[in-house]
Amino acid sequence: EVQLKQSGGGFVQPGESLKLSCAASGFIFSNSVIHWVRQASGRRLEWVGHIRNRVDNYATRYGESVEGRFAISRDDSENTAYLQLSNLRAEDTAVYYCTASTVDYYYGLDVWGQGTTVIVSS
Amino acid sequence: DIVLTQTPLSLPVTPGEPASMSCRSSQSLLDSDDGNTYLDWYVQRAGQPPQLLIYALSYRASGVSDRFSGSGSDTDHTLKITRVEAEDVGVYFCMQRREIPVTFGGGTKVEIK
Repeated sequence: EVQLKQSGGGFVQPGESLKLSCAASGFIFSNSVIHWVRQASGRRLEWVGHIRNRVDNYATRYGESVEGRFAISRDDSENTAYLQLSNLRAEDTAVYYCTASTVDYYYGLDVWGQGTTVIVSS
Repeated sequence: DIVLTQTPLSLPVTPGEPASMSCRSSQSLLDSDDGNTYLDWYVQRAGQPPQLLIYALSYRASGVSDRFSGSGSDTDHTLKITRVEAEDVGVYFCMQRREIPVTFGGGTKVEIK
């Protein structure tokens, strides 16, 4: 079965850090570009960033609101991607999704994790 | 950043009737290098992650009912449902991946009358 299984998340105070995981199965993870997307309550989906594959030197790009605070990484041997969240702010409170194209980017983001909630509050 | 504006915000529909929603982009989503328009449609049902319906403007994702179709031009994009069923309720989002950052529309909420 093609799936992304997420873990991590939770309740943290402003300024703290958290690491989310996204474990893939059922497709060739090492070929895929992995994206992270978040959804705050009542707001539209927001792209957090992506990490490309080995062919593209694992290049990363980030949304402006998280640039310099969040970092995406991957371990192809474990078929897992990670989102390191640092210096968290209240406005980072959201459900975080990892997502990918299982065949080729042309075909859209056809697999999504179940989502994990991050709450930042003092 | 490319801004996607979806209308209407809410779409009450009668089962068996057609439905249509719009997504307008602030700039063209046509990639002149490969000729593809990188506009996708997703549906998000309550408590679920988004699910891909349409990719590259008009291609149905695997397993998606042929009641769903996507069309449009460089900046005006439409998702149509030929005969709405009760299971179609949810929030429909458009997403552009023509440029980084990837951006999303605000969503159209489809509900049954």
